[in-house]
Amino acid sequence: DAKTTQPPSMDCAEGRAANLPCNHSTISGNEYVYWYRQIHSQGPQYIIHGLKNNETNEMASLIITEDRKSSTLILPHATLRDTAVYYCIVRAGTSGSRLTFGEGTQLTVNP
Amino acid sequence: DTGVSQDPRHKITKRGQNVTFRCDPISEHNRLYWYRQTLGQGPEFLTYFQNEAQLEKSRLLSDRFSAERPKGSFSTLEIQRTEQGDSAMYLCASSLQGMGEKLFFGSGTQLSVL
Repeated sequence: DAKTTQPPSMDCAEGRAANLPCNHSTISGNEYVYWYRQIHSQGPQYIIHGLKNNETNEMASLIITEDRKSSTLILPHATLRDTAVYYCIVRAGTSGSRLTFGEGTQLTVNP
Repeated sequence: DTGVSQDPRHKITKRGQNVTFRCDPISEHNRLYWYRQTLGQGPEFLTYFQNEAQLEKSRLLSDRFSAERPKGSFSTLEIQRTEQGDSAMYLCASSLQGMGEKLFFGSGTQLSVL
């Protein structure tokens, strides 16, 4: 699986957009970008995933650059409940087995 | 959808004792995963089942660890002769084949080995 690089921490004001970057310069053509988050004392929660096109769901938007070497997770209106560790994971879509988590980005949403 | 259930939520044991954790996945999910997480680190893969078959096991998993998934439903993770280094959060996740890597995680079992 391709390795990802994320900043260790970020801050965001409540109500503003949170933009979380992820670098995955060694990504292969069949690898998807997945985002999970983990709120303190809970298991990770799936947010969104994509291959090459931008994706949006009720939780967030995922912007993937044209060369697919980086992506950004966007939380459009961050709330205090979005404070969590956010993990960017690159994984082949057909493998069916492990996800490899890095250390993620600790996002703190401030009032 | 009642979510992934793990039991117990917390376990304190003495070094050398055996412990067993249980995971009940989302009912229609045929894939089940075990992960371990220590403070400040991301979850680390331990093992993976598809139905009752254990298809992958981490090379980091010592022989003291064993997991089962009889009849492809719930799963148990046993740690024999626990060591202080086994202290961690043990997470279970399940998914449905064909849904890619959209895993649903339980809240975990926090193990403390004294």
